[in-house]
Amino acid sequence: EAGVTQFPSHSVIEKGQTVTLRCDPISGHDNLYWYRRVMGKEIKFLLHFVKESKQDESGMPNNRFLAERTGGTYSTLKVQPAELEDSGVYFCASSQVGLQYEQYFGPGTRLTVT
Amino acid sequence: AQSVTQPDIHITVSEGASLELRCNYSYGATPYLFWYVQSPGQGLQLLLKYFSGDTLVQGIKGFEAEFKRSQSSFNLRKPSVHWSDAAEYFCAVGALDYGQNFVFGPGTRLSVLP
Repeated sequence: EAGVTQFPSHSVIEKGQTVTLRCDPISGHDNLYWYRRVMGKEIKFLLHFVKESKQDESGMPNNRFLAERTGGTYSTLKVQPAELEDSGVYFCASSQVGLQYEQYFGPGTRLTVT
Repeated sequence: AQSVTQPDIHITVSEGASLELRCNYSYGATPYLFWYVQSPGQGLQLLLKYFSGDTLVQGIKGFEAEFKRSQSSFNLRKPSVHWSDAAEYFCAVGALDYGQNFVFGPGTRLSVLP
């Protein structure tokens, strides 16, 4: 069974550009989470989808971040326009309904904004 | 607010030596406690978790952790470290009234000397 996959693994963009990160959860996992770790800091929760619905987006830093999960399968996280402080590693995780603490994490996307 | 501290940013041990990684949390009740490991290029992998019951928890890869309520600690231990244990280790807290999300510590990077 494939794990959580994320694309790209690395992205380097200039300030002001747009970047879209993709996460493919484990098949059958209705819960999908985004987290990020900015340099030297803790991993912080961004948002949580249940199927295609946003269950909790309290961790989204500002309106430059837009997350979608059309059809309840893969999810995208768009940053537009990117700022220097957006640099970090963005993790995606998924879990089955009712097993919210059994989250499986992807390898992360390292985003560098120059 | 919940918080998790990992006092050691970087630890170096010799292969075969014992290991203890410290984790302290701040929360009003008994939280759910977790240890994750991230090896280079990999996603976060769950090592072990504590929900209730026996305060000494066994995990994968020969790791164990002990919950000490009086010290608000959940330290991770391994009696004999292997070179493949070199990675970054994260302690995390989850709690019912915080929803389905984790609060992570800043991580401890483990280096293993041959």
